[in-house]
Amino acid sequence: EVQLVESGGGLVQPGGSLRLSCAASGFTFSSYWMTWVRQAPGKGLEWVANIKQDGSEKYYVDSVKGRFTISRDNAKNSLSLQMNSLRAEDTAVYYCARTSYSDYWGQGTLVTVSS
Amino acid sequence: EIVMTQSPATLSVSPGERATLSCRASQSLSSNLAWYQQKPGQAPSLLIYGTSTRATGVPARFSGSGSGTEFTLTISSLQSEDFAVYYCQQYNDWPRTFGQGTKVEIK
Repeated sequence: EVQLVESGGGLVQPGGSLRLSCAASGFTFSSYWMTWVRQAPGKGLEWVANIKQDGSEKYYVDSVKGRFTISRDNAKNSLSLQMNSLRAEDTAVYYCARTSYSDYWGQGTLVTVSS
Repeated sequence: EIVMTQSPATLSVSPGERATLSCRASQSLSSNLAWYQQKPGQAPSLLIYGTSTRATGVPARFSGSGSGTEFTLTISSLQSEDFAVYYCQQYNDWPRTFGQGTKVEIK
């Protein structure tokens, strides 16, 4: 059974940092692109970032470029999102998902940026 | 950036009726279009990918069609569990983009 479990969310002040993790199981992690998608409270879905199977290609939405870094550890079946210089508008539930068309999703982790 | 526009924003349908949801892309997508369903308090779930391929376990009442810039999700006979928000997403180009969603509510 494919499972994706996010962790690392919480309350952080504007300008602060947070690192999200996603533990993957039930599939060959190293064979799939992985994705981060976020959803602000009461709003729609927003794609955040993608990373290729070997980490050699990474793509970001413009609003997070230079602030967020997606990475993966295939030996540990783990996906990460390092978030720096956080802003109020980054407040959202962050989901990790498998592959470009997101066939499996985690349950999400809430990030709140507020003073 | 490819802009995805869904219509209508809200669709009121009676159980057992047919629902047709539209998604328009600002550029051609080939067939790289997916549909997701999201219920309150839950993560989204994949319904359709490649414009018309149902994801594993998705009932046959859900079907996707279209090409180029115009795409449609059809629910042939709405069941109570189908009342939810539906999103389309293009994965043809970077950045990936979602539509703003269509809420299917009980009439």
